Amino acid sequence: SAVISQKPSRDICQRGTSLTIQCQVDSQVTMMFWYRQQPGQSLTLIATANQGSEATYESGFVIDKFPISRPNLTFSTLTVSNMSPEDSSIYLCSVEVSNYGYTFGSGTRLTVV
Amino acid sequence: KNQVEQSPQSLIILEGKNCTLQCNYTVSPFSNLRWYKQDTGRGPVSLTIMTFSENTKSNGRYTATLDADTKQSSLHITASQLSDSASYICVVKTDSWGKLQFGAGTQVVVTP
Repeated sequence: SAVISQKPSRDICQRGTSLTIQCQVDSQVTMMFWYRQQPGQSLTLIATANQGSEATYESGFVIDKFPISRPNLTFSTLTVSNMSPEDSSIYLCSVEVSNYGYTFGSGTRLTVV
Repeated sequence: KNQVEQSPQSLIILEGKNCTLQCNYTVSPFSNLRWYKQDTGRGPVSLTIMTFSENTKSNGRYTATLDADTKQSSLHITASQLSDSASYICVVKTDSWGKLQFGAGTQVVVTP
C-alpha cells in the first residue's frame, strides 16, 4: 500500500487566517481525497483531487473556502481559508492505490481560536 | 440517515477480554467493507477488507465477519490489549467508482 506523509500534524490558528495542509505520497496515484473529521463524528469527504484538473467538491464544500492544488501525481495541498472556530477539525488526505486499498494520512488536527 | 450504522457507540473492556463490534449497512450496490482502527489524533489504519464473497477475514487478534445477505458485519477483538484503545470505523464502498460510506465509529477503551 502507499505511504502518505501529511503535515502539519497539528496547528493552532487565529480566526480569519488560512492554513495549507500538504500530503505527499510515495507512489503515483490518480485520485487523492480530502476528508474532514469533526470531533466525535465520522469522516466527511470534502473533495476529490485529480492531477491536472480542478478538484470535485462535495455538497456543502466550496472551492473558495477549501482550495485544493494537485500539481503532480504524488502531491496535493488543501487550504482552509478565512478560518473560524467551526473549522476546528481533523483534516485527512487519502489515496486509493488499487481497487481494494485506501490509505490515509496521519491527519492534521486544526484548532481555530 | 447514515447508511452505515455502528454499535455500540462506545465500550469499556478489561485487558485480556474479548469484545465484538457491530456494523449494519444499507449501502447498495456493495463492493467491499473495511474496518479501520483510528488512534486518537491519527489517521485511520486498515485492519481488514472483505468483498461480497468473503465471510471471515483475520488480522492477528482482529477477526471480521460479513453477512452480505443481511448486510451486517462484525469485528471481534481477541485478548484485548491496552493498545487496542481506539476508535474502530466500519467503511462500505459501493461500486468500483463509488464513494466510501463511513460509520461513526465505536470508541473502545481497554482498561488494566
